Amino acid sequence: GAVVSQHPSWVICKSGTSVKIECRSLDFQATTMFWYRQFPKQSLMLMATSNEGSKATYEQGVEKDKFLINHASLTLSTLTVTSAHPEDSSFYICSASGQRLRGGHPQHFGDGTRLSIL
Amino acid sequence: QKEVEQNSGPLSVPEGAIASLNCTYSDRGSQSFFWYRQYSGKSPELIMSIYSNGDKEDGRFTAQLNKASQYVSLLIRDSQPSDSATYLCAFLKRGYQKVTFGTGTKLQVIP
Repeated sequence: GAVVSQHPSWVICKSGTSVKIECRSLDFQATTMFWYRQFPKQSLMLMATSNEGSKATYEQGVEKDKFLINHASLTLSTLTVTSAHPEDSSFYICSASGQRLRGGHPQHFGDGTRLSIL
Repeated sequence: QKEVEQNSGPLSVPEGAIASLNCTYSDRGSQSFFWYRQYSGKSPELIMSIYSNGDKEDGRFTAQLNKASQYVSLLIRDSQPSDSATYLCAFLKRGYQKVTFGTGTKLQVIP
């Protein structure tokens, strides 16, 4: 079964709305969580890395004031897309890393959130 | 130089053939190597991990690692249409938690 739960799986909302995406590790403590974005037919792009209790580290070109990341506990990280616009429409995927991940996995991925801004 | 290089494809193979996917990496500090499969509209799923030189087999999949040449490959035997996906090569550096992904190779298995 899924070890990382990402919610919601699909969001459609109006331009200017803020959207929050949750990522939960279900059976392990996620000391580090990663947030990715993937536009259609393009590669997976890392947006930011967050460690529990610390500020997220953003990749170059990612606006930290637009993409707010909170990782307040070892099982939950959230990504908030503030004042979303159509160009923010994309597939957002979280992944979580922690000690004793099973099966040789360096990280477990959530199922992703498809965000569509009208 | 990109950290991970993959041919974007598409690589087309007939059903039942062997698909060979290749990847080179630039960082000699890389310790662990992975192959992920990503279906369109889905998140990546880990299919193989390899840590030492040589071959590692798991069912129809064989991963090959050559650290001297900084090269990792994935062979898929008896390719099936359901193998059609994008395959991402990835590596993890010693002491780091962030996995570095390649841009992926799109594989098409033709029935």
